[in-house]
Parts: sequence; C-alpha cells; structure tokens
Amino acid sequence: EDQVTQSPEALRLQEGESSSLNCSYTVSGLRGLFWYRQDPGKGPEFLFTLYSAGEEKEKERLKATLTKKESFLHITAPKPEDSATYLCAVQARGGFKTIFGAGTRLFVKA
Amino acid sequence: NAGVTQTPKFQVLKTGQSMTLQCAQDMNHNSMYWYRQDPGMGLRLIYYSASEGTTDKGEVPNGYNVSRLNKREFSLRLESAAPSQTSVYFCASSILQGGSTDTQYFGPGTRLTVL
Repeated sequence: EDQVTQSPEALRLQEGESSSLNCSYTVSGLRGLFWYRQDPGKGPEFLFTLYSAGEEKEKERLKATLTKKESFLHITAPKPEDSATYLCAVQARGGFKTIFGAGTRLFVKA
Repeated sequence: NAGVTQTPKFQVLKTGQSMTLQCAQDMNHNSMYWYRQDPGMGLRLIYYSASEGTTDKGEVPNGYNVSRLNKREFSLRLESAAPSQTSVYFCASSILQGGSTDTQYFGPGTRLTVL
C-alpha cells in the first residue's frame, strides 16, 4: 500500500536556525514526489516536484532532496514568514492518485 | 487568472441537511479533485474527475456525490450531512498529461461544520 509519513509533526525554530523536515514514502514505483506549503486557513501551495533519487531543487531558503525511500526539505536560515505547514505527497506509476502525508507544522520565532 | 475558486468559504449545517460545494478552475485543466482535510491526517481524496464527463471514487466517497458540470466546474454534494463530515474541503485541478507527473493546484477551501 502506498504510504507517506512526515516527521516531525511540529518543529519550532529560532530565526536563522537551519533544519530539515523528513518525508518517508513507500510506493510501487515513484512517478513523482511533491512538496506543498500550506498557510493557516489557506489551500496548499505547490513548491517542488522531484522525479528520481539524487535530484535536488531549490527555492529561496528551501531545498528539497530525494532518495529512494525519503525526501528532505532543508530550510536554511529560516525567517518568521517561513512558518507554515509543509506537506509531502507522492504519485505512483500507472496512476495519477496523489497520496499526502499529514504534514509538518513549522514555527519560526523572531 | 483566478486559479481554483471555491464557494462557500464557510458553512454550518444541521445533521440531515444537504448542500453543494462549488468549485471552478480557469486554467483549462483536464482533471479535478475533491479532498477533505482533518486534523492530524493528510488530505484524503473523496472523488475525482480525470476528464470532462467522467467521475470516480477516491479513498473516502461514502456520503458524497459529485458532478462534473463542464470542463471548468466540479461540484461536491452532501445529501444528508453527518457530524463526521465536519472538515475542511479542498478542490484541486491538474492538467493530467499521460507519462508525466500531475501537479495539482488547490483552491482556498470550504470549512464545513455539521451540528
């Protein structure tokens, strides 16, 4: 069964304190792995798609990496405006259903 | 472009009442989806429509029906609301081209409370 597990559930950082969020997945042939950002009271906002192990993508203070079993979202020198819930999701080959993890709530304190 | 829009933004129902959640997209996407999001759980797929004229069940379809009215619009109906359907509902759309990944774009959500 396809599954996505995100850890930690919540992460509290000081401004400038770099860290990583983890997304572990099991899927019968990965078609793509997605990262989304979700602000309170809003819909998820697309950040990245990763396709194969070893791939990396960057956007401002965020960098997403992918291995055969997990993905990391690295946050470098975070700012309070990076506070949000970050969602990880996978799509399997042979279909287009997307399986979402429960998310990591990130709090960045000034 | 407005992207994906949803109405209403908030709704309170009594048990047994019915209502329809509306969703529209202006990105000329082929596929549309309805999810629900509950605390501590990931987004769960209720129904999806791979293309105009087709709909199919997702992970949690019981108690819901959908209509793909045209390429732009996809509605979700609760025939007899139950407290277990209290949730935040998100509509999403994607272009869905064979062979490539299918990035979904989400609306702002409808917050539904069933008393």
